[in-house]
Amino acid sequence: AQSVSQHNHHVILSEAASLELGCNYSYGGTVNLFWYVQYPGQHLQLLLKYFSGDPLVKGIKGFEAEFIKSKFSFNLRKPSVQWSDTAEYFCAVNASRSSNTGKLIFGQGTTLQVKP
Amino acid sequence: EPEVTQTPSHQVTQMGQEVILRCVPISNHLYFYWYRQILGQKVEFLVSFYNNEISEKSEIFDDQFSVERPDGSNFTLKIRSTKLEDSAMYFCASRSSRGPPISGYTFGSGTRLTVV
Repeated sequence: AQSVSQHNHHVILSEAASLELGCNYSYGGTVNLFWYVQYPGQHLQLLLKYFSGDPLVKGIKGFEAEFIKSKFSFNLRKPSVQWSDTAEYFCAVNASRSSNTGKLIFGQGTTLQVKP
Repeated sequence: EPEVTQTPSHQVTQMGQEVILRCVPISNHLYFYWYRQILGQKVEFLVSFYNNEISEKSEIFDDQFSVERPDGSNFTLKIRSTKLEDSAMYFCASRSSRGPPISGYTFGSGTRLTVV
């Protein structure tokens, strides 16, 4: 069965620190990869996505992620975090061959707390 | 920007009661989904709905659950006889494209269901 693992459950950083959140998935076929963010009290918002092409994907708010196929990873990065980045971050995978309905398999989420 | 609207934002119900969670997807979207997130756990896929029928459902989505698009705009999730373990945040989502979720989902803000 497909699964998504996010290694960091709770990350605390100071402003201007660099961020890297790990995401690994288990599925050998073609995957579509996503990072979502959920600010307190708000809905899930798409940060960035990867479907094909350049494995380094740039998203909104200065976030980027790199797809490394050999490592089954799609880690999220930001060079310098801000207090407003405090939120929960979810990695998600759609395995297009196993499901053509577009369902997403989510990781367990990482809570990021940025201290001013 | 178009939104997916969910009501109510919080619902408390007694065990054994029926609840209906309501969602208004984006009007030109074709696929509709329900996900849930039990507190402290990952976001889990429940069901996808396309062309007025369920296209895929998870093992969580048993006979106690049903979905409906009664009037072409609302998309509802019904739980017939709620259990304590149904307490969770329920997210509705919709998207416009067929096949892989190229454009990404739009999620609603969620309904927090508390079963007492």
